[in-house]
Amino acid sequence: AQTVTQSQPEMSVQEAETVTLSCTYDTSESDYYLFWYKQPPSRQMILVIRQEAYKQQNATENRFSVNFQKAAKSFSLKISDSQLGDAAMYFCAYRRPTGGGADGLTFGKGTHLIIQP
Amino acid sequence: DTGVSQDPRHKITKRGQNVTFRCDPISEHNRLYWYRQTLGQGPEFLTYFQNEAQLEKSRLLSDRFSAERPKGSFSTLEIQRTEQGDSAMYLCASSLGPYTGELFFGEGSRLTVL
Repeated sequence: AQTVTQSQPEMSVQEAETVTLSCTYDTSESDYYLFWYKQPPSRQMILVIRQEAYKQQNATENRFSVNFQKAAKSFSLKISDSQLGDAAMYFCAYRRPTGGGADGLTFGKGTHLIIQP
Repeated sequence: DTGVSQDPRHKITKRGQNVTFRCDPISEHNRLYWYRQTLGQGPEFLTYFQNEAQLEKSRLLSDRFSAERPKGSFSTLEIQRTEQGDSAMYLCASSLGPYTGELFFGEGSRLTVL
């Protein structure tokens, strides 16, 4: 079974600075998807960024980028120019391409990101 | 369409009572998922529908839990004879199949069992 590990329960960063959230995963598959989801307090979870395992190029979405190391099974999220609105729980998630269901989306335990003004 | 909606947002009940949650997915999405999230944990998969067919259930979904998606539209999740361990946030998500990568989540239904 796939597992996703987020080793940082909480991270704190000064506004406008850069922060990196770590994620490692375990899988025997060669083709899969990785995601970072953001869950603000009392609000719905939204997708931040997505990476297809077959793509070597790291995904980027505005201030958010990933460092995908397939051999190391590592998938970190970098947030540049941190803003107060970035404060949230961040979840790393793994999904098989033929997924849906129990072997579909597997989440880590999350990292609580605090933005210091 | 404003996204996935869930009702009620909060439910407090006494142990042993039955509760039902409703999820309305994004209208064109044929896949619907239920997840459970407890404090300090990531969401855990419960069950999944493709249209009206319930294709997979997690071992977390005991016999007290039942989910339906009549006509492939909205879905309900019923918990019978609630226990304190059922206290959690129940999240619904939908996606457009075949798989496109992203799940769209609702805001969740928080259950407190006293």
